[in-house]
Amino acid sequence: AQTVTQSQPEMSVQEAETVTLSCTYDTSESDYYLFWYKQPPSRQMILVIRQEAYKQQNATENRFSVNFQKAAKSFSLKISDSQLGDAAMYFCAYVDSNYQLIWGAGTKLIIKP
Amino acid sequence: GAGVSQSPSNKVTEKGKDVELRCDPISGHTALYWYRQSLGQGLEFLIYFQGNSAPDKSGLPSDRFSAERTGGSVSTLTIQRTQQEDSAVYLCASSLASGGFQETQYFGPGTRLLVL
Repeated sequence: AQTVTQSQPEMSVQEAETVTLSCTYDTSESDYYLFWYKQPPSRQMILVIRQEAYKQQNATENRFSVNFQKAAKSFSLKISDSQLGDAAMYFCAYVDSNYQLIWGAGTKLIIKP
Repeated sequence: GAGVSQSPSNKVTEKGKDVELRCDPISGHTALYWYRQSLGQGLEFLIYFQGNSAPDKSGLPSDRFSAERTGGSVSTLTIQRTQQEDSAVYLCASSLASGGFQETQYFGPGTRLLVL
């Protein structure tokens, strides 16, 4: 069965600094997608970035980028120039042809002013 | 355009009562998903609809849980004879699902259910 592991329950970073959130997954599938979602206190789950497994190039969205290592089954999220509004729970998720999103347990990101 | 909406935002009920949670997906989205999020946890998949049919009901935790979708739009998640362990946030998501599992899912704000 597919699994997603986020080993950091909580991370903190100084405002304007860079932070990396870790995610590893396990699957025997070759075709899948990976996502990072952000959930602020408002509870609304918001897509941050997505990565297609067959693409070697790492996805980037403004200050957010991923380091996708397919062989190692690793999918970390780097947030550059951290802002107070980045404070939230961050969830790593995986989906394949079974249509189910498999979620990690989340990492709480704290931004220190 | 409007996002995914869910109602009610919060629901408090007594143990043993039935509850209905509603999800209104983004217009044009054919796929709809229900998830449960317990306090401080990730999301647990419950059920997925493609149009009005649910090809995968494996995530429903017990036979007290059921869901339906009519007209390819609004979905209702029903929990019968609620138990305290049903207390959680119930999230709904929708996607275009033009045949691809890779479509991004867009989430509603969730319904926080508390069973006393």
